[in-house]
Amino acid sequence: DVKVTQSSRYLVKRTGEKVFLECVQDMDHENMFWYRQDPGLGLRLIYFSYDVKMKEKGDIPEGYSVSREKKERFSLILESASTNQTSMYLCASSLGAKGEQFFGPGTRLTVL
Amino acid sequence: QKEVEQDPGPLSVPEGAIVSLNCTYSNSAFQYFMWYRQYSRKGPELLMYTYSSGNKEDGRFTAQVDKSSKYISLFIRDSQPSDSATYLCAMHSGGSNYKLTFGKGTLLTVNP
Repeated sequence: DVKVTQSSRYLVKRTGEKVFLECVQDMDHENMFWYRQDPGLGLRLIYFSYDVKMKEKGDIPEGYSVSREKKERFSLILESASTNQTSMYLCASSLGAKGEQFFGPGTRLTVL
Repeated sequence: QKEVEQDPGPLSVPEGAIVSLNCTYSNSAFQYFMWYRQYSRKGPELLMYTYSSGNKEDGRFTAQVDKSSKYISLFIRDSQPSDSATYLCAMHSGGSNYKLTFGKGTLLTVNP
C-alpha cells in the first residue's frame, strides 16, 4: 500500500512565522502535490512537482514556496504565515500519468 | 461554467438506502475518473478509478461514466453508517497532465 505521511496533524503558529510542512511518500512516486482544503472552496492546488528539484505553480501559489530535494520528500513553506493561511493542508503523490493520487492524513494549520 | 460541478448536499439517508452521487463536467478531454471518500478531519482515500465510459463495480460501490453526457455517478448499495463521509469526484485527461480536477465534494450522512 502507498503510504503518504505528513509531519504534523495539528499545528498552531503566529502571524509572521516561517512554517515548514513536510510530506514523505514511500512508493517511489514521481509526482507530488500540495493542496489546501477550505469549507465551500474544495481542494485547491498550491504547487506540484513531477521530478526532483522540479516544481510547478498550481492555482494558488501566492504566499507559498516548495522544495523537493529528494524524490520521496516534498516540503511546503509559508515564508511569513498569515491568518488567511489557516487551513487544512493535504499532500498527495502519484505515479506517472495514471492520475490516481494518494493523499496523506492532512495537517490542520491554525495561524493566530 | 466550472470544469466540474458536484452537488454539495448535504445528503441524509436511512441505513440500507441506495445512494446516488453525481458530477458533471465540461472538458471533453477528461478520460480518467475517480471517486474519493474523505472522513472528517482525514485525508481523501481513493475509492474507485475508471477509464473512459462504462461501469465498474467493487462490492457495494458502482461507478458509472457517461462521456457523451459528461456525467459520472457513484452508487452505494445497502448504505451503512460507516459510509458517512464527504465524497469527491476527480478527473483528468491523461498524458503529461498530472493534475486532477476535483469537484467540491458531497457530504453524505447515513442514519442508523
